[in-house]
Amino acid sequence: AQSVTQPDIHITVSEGASLELRCNYSYGATPYLFWYVQSPGQGLQLLLKYFSGDTLVQGIKGFEAEFKRSQSSFNLRKPSVHWSDAAEYFCAALYSGAGSYQLTFGKGTKLSVIP
Amino acid sequence: EAGVTQFPSHSVIEKGQTVTLRCDPISGHDNLYWYRRVMGKEIKFLLHFVKESKQDESGMPNNRFLAERTGGTYSTLKVQPAELEDSGVYFCASSQDIAGTPFDTGELFFGEGSRLTVL
Repeated sequence: AQSVTQPDIHITVSEGASLELRCNYSYGATPYLFWYVQSPGQGLQLLLKYFSGDTLVQGIKGFEAEFKRSQSSFNLRKPSVHWSDAAEYFCAALYSGAGSYQLTFGKGTKLSVIP
Repeated sequence: EAGVTQFPSHSVIEKGQTVTLRCDPISGHDNLYWYRRVMGKEIKFLLHFVKESKQDESGMPNNRFLAERTGGTYSTLKVQPAELEDSGVYFCASSQDIAGTPFDTGELFFGEGSRLTVL
């Protein structure tokens, strides 16, 4: 069965520090991969996505992610975290289900930012 | 342009009662999805509408859950009777593309979610 793993439930970083959130997927073929963010009181917002091509993808808010097939990973990075980045981050993969397309999500990583 | 809106934002009911959640997708979006996040677990797919038709309801947990999308506009998700394990956040999402994957044009737009607490 398809699965997405986010091994870190909660991460705390200082403002200005770099950030890497881990994501691993398990699929037979390369899936479509996504990172979403949910800020308090907000819906899920798409940060970036990977379909094919360049394995380093740029997203909104200064985030980027790198697809590594050999490691089945799609880690999210940001060189300098801002206090407003405190939120919950979800990695997701798209696969074809019963005549439809479904997102499979990881459990999420909650990011806290220390001023 | 209004985003995906969900109502209510939070509902507290007792076991055995009925609750109806509503989702208004972005105008013109044919695809409408329901997802659910139970506490501490992943966000999981429930079902997918294309216009008023159920394209895929493989994620619906049991027959206590009934989703409708009359007229292909807003959707409701009814839980009857509610059980303790139904507690969680119910997300609705919509997308425009109906040819191939819904992600050809990039994005599934999510609402803020409806938090359901069953006591």
